[in-house]
Amino acid sequence: NAGVTQTPKFQVLKTGQSMTLQCAQDMNHEYMSWYRQDPGMGLRLIHYSVGAGITDQGEVPNGYNVSRSTTEDFPLRLLSAAPSQTSVYFCASRVTQGFNQPQHFGDGTRLSIL
Amino acid sequence: LAKTTQPISMDSYEGQEVNITCSHNNIATNDYITWYQQFPSQGPRFIIQGYKTKVTNEVASLFIPADRKSSTLSLPRVSLSDTAVYYCLVEGGTSYGKLTFGQGTILTVHP
Repeated sequence: NAGVTQTPKFQVLKTGQSMTLQCAQDMNHEYMSWYRQDPGMGLRLIHYSVGAGITDQGEVPNGYNVSRSTTEDFPLRLLSAAPSQTSVYFCASRVTQGFNQPQHFGDGTRLSIL
Repeated sequence: LAKTTQPISMDSYEGQEVNITCSHNNIATNDYITWYQQFPSQGPRFIIQGYKTKVTNEVASLFIPADRKSSTLSLPRVSLSDTAVYYCLVEGGTSYGKLTFGQGTILTVHP
């Protein structure tokens, strides 16, 4: 059972480039989310999805797009990378949107924007 | 949103019990209290969750007083491998879609 898998693990981009961070889970979880973690800080919610075809914005959505065409996958797109988006990105999932269930996190994608 | 406050750092020694307290004064009726652990270069990992009174699992205990304005994570007999960042979260209807992990508590366990 792989859990939550994120790819790539590391990426360096130039300002203005676009890319997609991949996230997949094999637990049939309905709820998936993306966070970013900046040095010395906690995680901030970017976007989330409560099921296939349904997404919504979190606390810091600007500069990012998401889609949820399948239950398993929840990619995060950077449209035009900026140095302020240098961060570690974590994807998480849980069974449903209910708050009495734990979130399962991937091991992150470390992204540097030059 | 229920804001949480926890110590920035704590030090302990192997074999000791560690208690990390989190304040959440404006917790709402339907909010749950959840604790996560994060090691360097890894994603957070769920430790324990509770709503009121005491919850215990194989890893930790969570104590929540009747007014629910604070909670205490208790780690029995810590080892060096318990060195990590510990996050206290309040999750519920008021935080839906806006969930943010605070700075957490850096726990350092010494030999």
